[in-house]
Amino acid sequence: QSALTQPASVSGSPGQSVTISCTGTSGDVGGFDYVSWYQQHPGEVPKLMIYDVTYRPSGVSNRFSGSKSGNTASLTISGLQAEDEADYYCSSYTRRSTLVFGGGTKLTVL
Amino acid sequence: EVQLVESGGGLVQPGGSLRLSCAASGFTFGAYAMNWVRQAPGKGLEWVTTISTGGDDTYYADSVKGRFTISRDNLKNTLHLHLDSLTAEDSAVYYCAKSRFTMAQGFDPWGQGTLVTVSS
Repeated sequence: QSALTQPASVSGSPGQSVTISCTGTSGDVGGFDYVSWYQQHPGEVPKLMIYDVTYRPSGVSNRFSGSKSGNTASLTISGLQAEDEADYYCSSYTRRSTLVFGGGTKLTVL
Repeated sequence: EVQLVESGGGLVQPGGSLRLSCAASGFTFGAYAMNWVRQAPGKGLEWVTTISTGGDDTYYADSVKGRFTISRDNLKNTLHLHLDSLTAEDSAVYYCAKSRFTMAQGFDPWGQGTLVTVSS
């Protein structure tokens, strides 16, 4: 199972919006509305930010939003803040009843 | 408060075995699918395995199938992972994670992880 494709890095200035893409296939991202996004600060445990493509768990800022078009899912962070600087990972359920993660994207807040 | 506490990691020789455990508290353990995810030093996340609520159904990544075995004890609120035929590529922090409901719907929360190092 190949990892989902994410950009290695993205950056933005405080207050701006950034979007991180996550590209898979019809056998994973495109075939199911089961994409999740995780935030991981250095030395910390991953935190669920988005599930089922668009839903935010309780306590997650509404500056984080998710979407999907075809085989590509996206995480958008609006009103960028310094605390958003972290690694972000997408994941998707697959038609083989497995789960696959993306390679991760390092977000830098300039 | 939901808590997941992993244990059992350590240094093991290539070809060796190890048993990881995850003690769960703060929720109805038997009502949720449970998972193991690993992260090699400086690398990304890799899903390893998932077990259904009752333990009847298990799912594995190709990289560990036939070598790792996930199990659970719903009476003791504990998740286990037996690692066999270990190689250097299995060296990683192993996280226990609770599914929101099924394995497809996100992992929340995650434990602090336990480090497995495979080396001679």
